Amino acid sequence: AQKVTQAQTEISVVEKEDVTLDCVYETRDTTYYLFWYKQPPSGELVFLIRRNSFDEQNEISGRYSWNFQKSTSSFNFTITASQVVDSAVYFCALARGSTLGRLYFGRGTQLTVWP
Amino acid sequence: GAVVSQHPSRVICKSGTSVKIECRSLDFQATTMFWYRQFPKQSLMLMATSNEGSKATYEQGVEKDKFLINHASLTLSTLTVTSAHPEDSSFYICSARGGGGADTQYFGPGTRLTVL
Repeated sequence: AQKVTQAQTEISVVEKEDVTLDCVYETRDTTYYLFWYKQPPSGELVFLIRRNSFDEQNEISGRYSWNFQKSTSSFNFTITASQVVDSAVYFCALARGSTLGRLYFGRGTQLTVWP
Repeated sequence: GAVVSQHPSRVICKSGTSVKIECRSLDFQATTMFWYRQFPKQSLMLMATSNEGSKATYEQGVEKDKFLINHASLTLSTLTVTSAHPEDSSFYICSARGGGGADTQYFGPGTRLTVL
């Protein structure tokens, strides 16, 4: 069975602080995909990143970075120098490689960045 | 990224009426679309997978006759909530697979349904 765990329900930081959102996943598949989505108060899910299980290279995109570690089944997301506009719910998700598309979501982490 | 639209964004209806929600992929063809439901402060729950030209595949516990899904073309899927009741009030989100890589889902802006 596939499972995604985001243990942090809510995180509050002050602007300019760095923050890491944790994501731990479970799957027996060897081929799978991991995603992060952002859901601002408007409700729309914004795609942030996709990684496949064979690519453990960490990725940086501006203030965002992702740390994928298969040894610990984790795919953590770090925001550097957080801003108020980063306030949103962040979802980590997994898709099986054999049936691309069906996403298994974590419960989400509400990030609040205070000015 | 690819663009997915949903219409309407908000709808308020009386109990017993039916409501249709449209999901469109605007700049790509989507052979597969997904319908999710999200309760306040909760994660997304997959309701069904919609494949163009075939019957939708519903998740366990989702009533097929209650939530009718039609995927008539490669750019349009519709969800009809039949005989809506207050407990059907929720945020409904569609997603479409395709566009910038077949293994990425792009989500619509969601539809907030309130049944009085």
